[in-house]
Amino acid sequence: DAMVIQNPRYQVTQFGKPVTLSCSQTLNHNVMYWYQQKSSQAPKLLFHYYDKDFNNEADTPDNFQSRRPNTSFCFLDIRSPGLGDAAMYLCATSIRDPGQFYSNQPQHFGDGTRLSIL
Amino acid sequence: AQKVTQAQTEISVVEKEDVTLDCVYETRDTTYYLFWYKQPPSGELVFLIRRNSFDEQNEISGRYSWNFQKSTSSFNFTITASQVVDSAVYFCALSERSFKAAGNKLTFGGGTRVLVKP
Repeated sequence: DAMVIQNPRYQVTQFGKPVTLSCSQTLNHNVMYWYQQKSSQAPKLLFHYYDKDFNNEADTPDNFQSRRPNTSFCFLDIRSPGLGDAAMYLCATSIRDPGQFYSNQPQHFGDGTRLSIL
Repeated sequence: AQKVTQAQTEISVVEKEDVTLDCVYETRDTTYYLFWYKQPPSGELVFLIRRNSFDEQNEISGRYSWNFQKSTSSFNFTITASQVVDSAVYFCALSERSFKAAGNKLTFGGGTRVLVKP
C-alpha cells in the first residue's frame, strides 16, 4: 500500500545532542510537510517542501532544519534539542496539481516519531 | 487571520450513542477547503473528509456524516451509533491559501477528544 513512513517510531536523545528524524513516502506526492505536536495540542506546521522548494514558517526556530534529497525522502534535523522540543513529530504529504496555485488536496500523515529529551 | 474553533474539548458517550462534534471557522477567503482528521491513540492523523466552500451538500459515509453550513461558518461532524474504536481526538482544519507557498497550510482547531465507553 502507498504510504508515509516515519522512522523511528520513538526517539530518545540527550539535551543538546543533534537528532535526525526521517520520513519516506511511496505516494509520489510533490509536497512534504513537517509538523510538531505537543501533548493535547493541535499539530503545528514547521515547514514544507514543494518539490525542492523549501518553505519555512515564520515562527519555526532556527534550531530546526530540513532536507529533501529526493521526492521520496524528507528529514527533520534538530541541531541542539532542548527540553521544550520533546513532542510528536508528524510528516505529511500532499499533491499539488500543475494547474493549481496551491495544493488543496488532503494531507496524508505518517504514524509520527515521538521524541524524548533526556 | 484564519481561525478554527472546536468548542468541545472532550466528549464522553456510551457505545451506540450518537455524538456530534462542532467546528466553527473564520476566513476572509471566498474559496477555501475544510477537513476533518481523526487521531487515534496510536498517533497518526487519518484523513476523513474534505469539503470545498462551494459545496454545501451534506455528506454521509457509513456511520459518519457532515453538516456544512456556510451561513453560520460551521462544519459539524456526527458519528452515529458510536463504537469503542471511534475513541480518538478529532481535528477540524481549514486550508489557508498562502501566496508564499505551494503547499496547503492547514489551520487546525484545538481538537475534540471523544471517549466511547463500552
